[in-house]
Amino acid sequence: EDQVTQSPEALRLQEGESSSLNCSYTVSGLRGLFWYRQDPGKGPEFLFTLYSAGEEKEKERLKATLTKKESFLHITAPKPEDSATYLCAVRYNTDKLIFGTGTRLQVFP
Amino acid sequence: NAGVTQTPKFRILKIGQSMTLQCTQDMNHNYMYWYRQDPGMGLKLIYYSVGAGITDKGEVPNGYNVSRSTTEDFPLRLELAAPSQTSVYFCASSGRTGTSGSNEQFFGPGTRLTVL
Repeated sequence: EDQVTQSPEALRLQEGESSSLNCSYTVSGLRGLFWYRQDPGKGPEFLFTLYSAGEEKEKERLKATLTKKESFLHITAPKPEDSATYLCAVRYNTDKLIFGTGTRLQVFP
Repeated sequence: NAGVTQTPKFRILKIGQSMTLQCTQDMNHNYMYWYRQDPGMGLKLIYYSVGAGITDKGEVPNGYNVSRSTTEDFPLRLELAAPSQTSVYFCASSGRTGTSGSNEQFFGPGTRLTVL
């Protein structure tokens, strides 16, 4: 069965304390892995797309990487404004995505 | 560009009532989607459309209907509201960017629906 699992469910970090979020997937024929950020009461906001193992993308303090079975979202020296829920999704045919349940990140000053 | 807009932002329904959630996008995207998000759960696809006049079921279509008469609009209809339909509903759209296009989806702000 096609599945996307994110861990941990919640993560509390001190400002400046780097860490990683995990997204593992079991999908045949990966056609793209997406990372989104979701703030409370708002819709998901697109961050990155990764297509093939070994690919990496960066945006400010965030770096996303991809292997054949999982993706990591690395957060370097996070700030309180990075607090949000981070969603991972996998594209498993031309038009549709499977979403994970997300990691709720809290960064304290 | 306003992107993806949804109305209403909040709504309370009684069991058995009907309503339509509106979704409009101004990016000329072919693909549009309806999701529901329950606490602690991922986004679940309800229905999607690959262009005007074409719709298909997603993972959780029961109790919902859609139509796509224009490229811009993709309304979601609840015919007989049930407490199980209490959720936050998100509309999204994406454009076709070629066979290797990223196909990222752009989301609206959501509609929070409570059925009592």
